[in-house]
Amino acid sequence: NAGVMQNPRHLVRRRGQEARLRCSPMKGHSHVYWYRQLPEEGLKFMVYLQKENIIDESGMPKERFSAEFPKEGPSILRIQQVVRGDSAAYFCASSHNEQFFGPGTRLTVL
Amino acid sequence: AQSVSQHNHHVILSEAASLELGCNYSYGGTVNLFWYVQYPGQHLQLLLKYFSGDPLVKGIKGFEAEFIKSKFSFNLRKPSVQWSDTAEYFCAVRNQAGTALIFGKGTTLSVSS
Repeated sequence: NAGVMQNPRHLVRRRGQEARLRCSPMKGHSHVYWYRQLPEEGLKFMVYLQKENIIDESGMPKERFSAEFPKEGPSILRIQQVVRGDSAAYFCASSHNEQFFGPGTRLTVL
Repeated sequence: AQSVSQHNHHVILSEAASLELGCNYSYGGTVNLFWYVQYPGQHLQLLLKYFSGDPLVKGIKGFEAEFIKSKFSFNLRKPSVQWSDTAEYFCAVRNQAGTALIFGKGTTLSVSS
């Protein structure tokens, strides 16, 4: 029974490039959440999606960040024109009742 | 805005010592509370949760937490820690909209053998 899968686990980008982070929820889960963890900080909520719908994006930065959860395939968190401040661990969670977390993607922006 | 405070940033204990990690939340209504653990190099795992009922909640690996409504607290306890409990511990509350978890900054627990 596979858990929440995230890939890649580590991603290195240069300033100005695009980063795409993928999340495959647990089987049977149709709710996906993205969180960001900055150094020395707890996880901060970014966005909550159900299949083909964004339910709550109150934690998403206004520019450069977008998320989708298509009918088929994984959820994607996309960061355009990355800057050094985007370096963080990005966690995805899926839920039926409680949230189960993936291993995270550690993004480093050079 | 809702918030979660974890007062201890780093706790260092010897094996067999008792543990209590503080957690306070800001919201006064009905709350869903959680403790998660993140072992080195691993993803977050749920230790225990409180939705309603008995305010003393028992979780996995011998952990428990007590919900004290009057103090807005949900402290995590373990009577005797082991070296393998070395990890980062996060307290969280579900937001009012029910759409996300609000996390504290975490407490790093280091247990020496």
